[in-house]
Amino acid sequence: DTEVTQTPKHLVMGMTNKKSLKCEQHMGHRAMYWYKQKAKKPPELMFVYSYEKLSINESVPSRFSPECPNSSLLNLHLHALQPEDSALYLCASSQDRSTGNTIYFGEGSWLTVV
Amino acid sequence: AQKITQTQPGMFVQEKEAVTLDCTYDTSDQSYGLFWYKQPSSGEMIFLIYQGSYDEQNATEGRYSLNFQKARKSANLVISASQLGDSAMYFCAMRDGVGTALIFGKGTTLSVSS
Repeated sequence: DTEVTQTPKHLVMGMTNKKSLKCEQHMGHRAMYWYKQKAKKPPELMFVYSYEKLSINESVPSRFSPECPNSSLLNLHLHALQPEDSALYLCASSQDRSTGNTIYFGEGSWLTVV
Repeated sequence: AQKITQTQPGMFVQEKEAVTLDCTYDTSDQSYGLFWYKQPSSGEMIFLIYQGSYDEQNATEGRYSLNFQKARKSANLVISASQLGDSAMYFCAMRDGVGTALIFGKGTTLSVSS
């Protein structure tokens, strides 16, 4: 079983809605990530938090807003999304951002924008 | 520029047979890490095995082994004694340098039949 927990598992939202995806890990990791994955494609990095500070913003649209309340929690706030934002959103964590540290993923949140 | 190439879109194997999934990489860094992940249709990205660039021996984890050929820049995954539950998408991934993102290949879909 994964030690990275994501909620909800499935989310359907309208284009005018505001919703959030939540992620939690209890492995003492200090780096956390959000990835977006479209069908039959590899995951693409959206955001990285290292020691609770945003380290990378991969030019993601502002309708996605990450938040890291503490080292164990990572949220992704969603507002005014488009149908093309429908995808699997994967949260992940690693001990830190060293080359050899394994990145562990959660089960993902399936998002559908209608 | 760093790059991961998986040339096999799909592979088919019978139960109990061994299978090799190919992965080649490109990086100018001397220090890097190579990873394999399994993604079933449920969406969870499951870590399988890791190989560091300075590791002299090939990594093994149960039925999984990584055939690391540094000079050829290849990191093939070998699954021994395939099981029906091995049917999934398999991604090869790499990190090079502290603080860099984990990049993925396009993936290989493995189908195991009885």
